[in-house]
Amino acid sequence: DQQVKQNSPSLSVQEGRISILNCDYTNSMFDYFLWYKKYPAEGPTFLISISSIKDKNEDGRFTVFLNKSAKHLSLHIVPSQPGDSAVYFCAAMKTGANNLFFGTGTRLTVIP
Amino acid sequence: KAGVTQTPRYLIKTRGQQVTLSCSPISGHRSVSWYQQTPGQGLQFLFEYFSETQRNKGNFPGRFSGRQFSNSRSEMNVSTLELGDSALYLCASSHGVGKDTEAFFGQGTRLTVV
Repeated sequence: DQQVKQNSPSLSVQEGRISILNCDYTNSMFDYFLWYKKYPAEGPTFLISISSIKDKNEDGRFTVFLNKSAKHLSLHIVPSQPGDSAVYFCAAMKTGANNLFFGTGTRLTVIP
Repeated sequence: KAGVTQTPRYLIKTRGQQVTLSCSPISGHRSVSWYQQTPGQGLQFLFEYFSETQRNKGNFPGRFSGRQFSNSRSEMNVSTLELGDSALYLCASSHGVGKDTEAFFGQGTRLTVV
């Protein structure tokens, strides 16, 4: 049972434009959400996180939005750069349980 | 400060054999978690160790086991290997206490079972 879903396996965006990656979850016990970026043959790299007490968290070009009522979060990358091309994973956890539930990933391609 | 180190990076084993993978966490981190990544199932949680004790466990068979040493280094063992165990095995370390604790991943061990 996939508790975290990323329904778009791939996304292509022009350099300089906004990339929006979406993620849905089903378990209302999740209270902490993270985004990871992954290149082939490497482990995931932590990007940004958000606690359920917030609805937005920003770090440079990356902003994560959380809509608890819809059980939905999104990652915005503005402006997109070719170096952002990678697979992006959304993950969720219940604080204290310390195990992450991952989505299946979205492959982002930023076209120069 | 050094990141999470996993050894070996690549491994080829035969069905029925057993394998041990190693993970050295970031200095000061007491929690080590293991994940399996396959093309069909994505990233799935295996188990988490904190202060030498298994604290959380995912839905994997008993052939998958692990341990953690007093220096927080962790090993994962898979016995009686099956073809379906071929995957990228990732280790993640974190402080493991309190809120907002991000997990940092190693580069993984690519296991191929033939």
